[in-house]
Amino acid sequence: EVQLLESGGDLVQPGGSLRLSCAASGFTFSSYAMGWVRQAPGKGLEWVSVILGAGGSAFYADSVKGRFIISRDTSKTTLYLQMNSLGAEDTAVYYCATYIRSFDVWGRGTLVTVSS
Amino acid sequence: DIVMTQTPLSSPVTLGQPASISCRSSQSLVSSDGNTYLSWLQQRPGQPPRLLIYEISNRFSGVPDRFSGSGAGTDFTLKISRVEAEDVGVYYCMQGSQFPLTFGGGTKVEIK
Repeated sequence: EVQLLESGGDLVQPGGSLRLSCAASGFTFSSYAMGWVRQAPGKGLEWVSVILGAGGSAFYADSVKGRFIISRDTSKTTLYLQMNSLGAEDTAVYYCATYIRSFDVWGRGTLVTVSS
Repeated sequence: DIVMTQTPLSSPVTLGQPASISCRSSQSLVSSDGNTYLSWLQQRPGQPPRLLIYEISNRFSGVPDRFSGSGAGTDFTLKISRVEAEDVGVYYCMQGSQFPLTFGGGTKVEIK
């Protein structure tokens, strides 16, 4: 069974940094694209970033380009999202998901709150 | 960027009755490989999203057959043949034909 478990969400001050992790299991992690999607409180879904299979390219939403970096460690079967220069607009639940046919399987999310 | 527009915003439905949600894209979703990457996701209250339909009309693993998708080009529809209580939630369409990936604003399905 495919399982994804996000962690790393926290309260952070504006301008700060945070690294999210997504531990994956139940599938061949290195073979598949993975992504991050976020959801601000009471709002809809917003795509953040996707990284293709092993050694593949990364893509970002304009709203995070230059501030966020997606990466993966195949030995640890873990996906990461390094978030820098955080602002209030980044406050959201961040979900990781496999990206195969679409966003196929989702984790339960981790909450990031940017506030002073 | 491709804009995804869903209608209606809210859909009150009687249990056992059908429901339909429309999704329109600002440009054709036919990809260079000939596929159309339009999917539908369901988000029940307090839950993460869940994939229902991919590539217009393919049900994802474990999705009941009362859910069906149709459409082509820029106009797409999700239908629930007979709404059950567990179908309450927000439904999103999403296009994966080009980056940036974009979602519709969501349609809330609730029971009358």
